[in-house]
Amino acid sequence: GNSVTQMEGPVTLSEEAFLTINCTYTATGYPSLFWYVQYPGEGLQLLLKATKADDKGSNKGFEATYRKETTSFHLEKGSVQVSDSAVYFCALSDQGFGNEKLTFGTGTRLTIIP
Amino acid sequence: DAMVIQNPRYQVTQFGKPVTLSCSQTLNHNVMYWYQQKSSQAPKLLFHYYDKDFNNEADTPDNFQSRRPNTSFCFLDIRSPGLGDAAMYLCATSRDRASGRGEQFFGPGTRLTVL
Repeated sequence: GNSVTQMEGPVTLSEEAFLTINCTYTATGYPSLFWYVQYPGEGLQLLLKATKADDKGSNKGFEATYRKETTSFHLEKGSVQVSDSAVYFCALSDQGFGNEKLTFGTGTRLTIIP
Repeated sequence: DAMVIQNPRYQVTQFGKPVTLSCSQTLNHNVMYWYQQKSSQAPKLLFHYYDKDFNNEADTPDNFQSRRPNTSFCFLDIRSPGLGDAAMYLCATSRDRASGRGEQFFGPGTRLTVL
């Protein structure tokens, strides 16, 4: 079956530090990959996505590259801000017929200190 | 702006008293989902509708029911809430597999408290 393994948290960084949150996946087909962000008390917001191998998703300074050879989709940002403090979820959607479901990682709580 | 709306944002109910949470969407998406999310955990899929076709997850308790009277609205009914049902409930939508790429759009959630 499908699974997503995500870097354990919590992660605490100083403002302007470099961020990496690791994500690897197992899928039977050719999944689309996503990073969602959840701010306190809110729903999930799509941060970025990639739908095929070697695609790079980017948004708000965050980037992730779909690496089929290493089955990874690591999230990176060059200089984090206090406003980036949130929980980040890596997820996949299998391209299998009729499968509209997302498989989530466990989430990584990120705290940025001024 | 096209969006997913959940009402209410906060709901308090008593142990065993039925409660209904609502979700509406202006995205005209075929698929609607209900998730349960407990503190510091990933969302757990309860069920989803593909148009009018209802798909229940195998481990969703019978206590949870859902209705989708039309494309825009979907309801989550909890028949007899227990203390363990206190959680954030998230509604999401997506286009069908043929036209979308699996991306789901989430509402802001309803925080349910059971007293």
